[in-house]
Amino acid sequence: AQSVAQPEDQVNVAEGNPLTVKCTYSVSGNPYLFWYVQYPNRGLQFLLKYITGDNLVKGSYGFEAEFNKSQTSFHLKKPSALVSDSALYFCAVSPTLFGGYNKLIFGAGTRLAVHP
Amino acid sequence: DVKVTQSSRYLVKRTGEKVFLECVQDMDHENMFWYRQDPGLGLRLIYFSYDVKMKEKGDIPEGYSVSREKKERFSLILESASTNQTSMYLCASSSGAGNQPQHFGDGTRLSIL
Repeated sequence: AQSVAQPEDQVNVAEGNPLTVKCTYSVSGNPYLFWYVQYPNRGLQFLLKYITGDNLVKGSYGFEAEFNKSQTSFHLKKPSALVSDSALYFCAVSPTLFGGYNKLIFGAGTRLAVHP
Repeated sequence: DVKVTQSSRYLVKRTGEKVFLECVQDMDHENMFWYRQDPGLGLRLIYFSYDVKMKEKGDIPEGYSVSREKKERFSLILESASTNQTSMYLCASSSGAGNQPQHFGDGTRLSIL
């Protein structure tokens, strides 16, 4: 079965330190990869995506993500965390063999807590 | 900016009622989606639609139906609400290409008593 794993329920980091939120996937073919962020009582906001090309992609709010095909991973990173980055982060995968309907498979989410 | 609007932020209904959740997008997107979000489970796809009057079942369609009579509007219907349908419901839309992100509404927190 196709799936997305976010192995950490919560990540704690001090403000100013680098952060990493992990994501691995088990999907056939060459999927499209996405990261979304959710603030309290809000919907999901798109952060960045990997389609093809350079393995390091940059997105909104200073976030970036590194694609590793051999490890089937797509980890979210930021060089210097802010307290305002505290939120729920979702990794999502769009299998390219799905007939082009842009369906997404989501991970369970990782709560990021940035402490002052 | 794409705007996806869900008609209610909070809704309380009783067991057995027929419940309608409405979603409207303003970007002429072909695809629209309904998810439910539960803690620890992420987002699970209920139904999606890739064109007017077209619909496809997602991963958890039981107990739900949908309607898409106009391109901009996608409705989720709980035929006979049950307490296990208490959840956060999120609507999303996207353009036709698979490499485009989905855009989400702010969600409807539905409680079934």
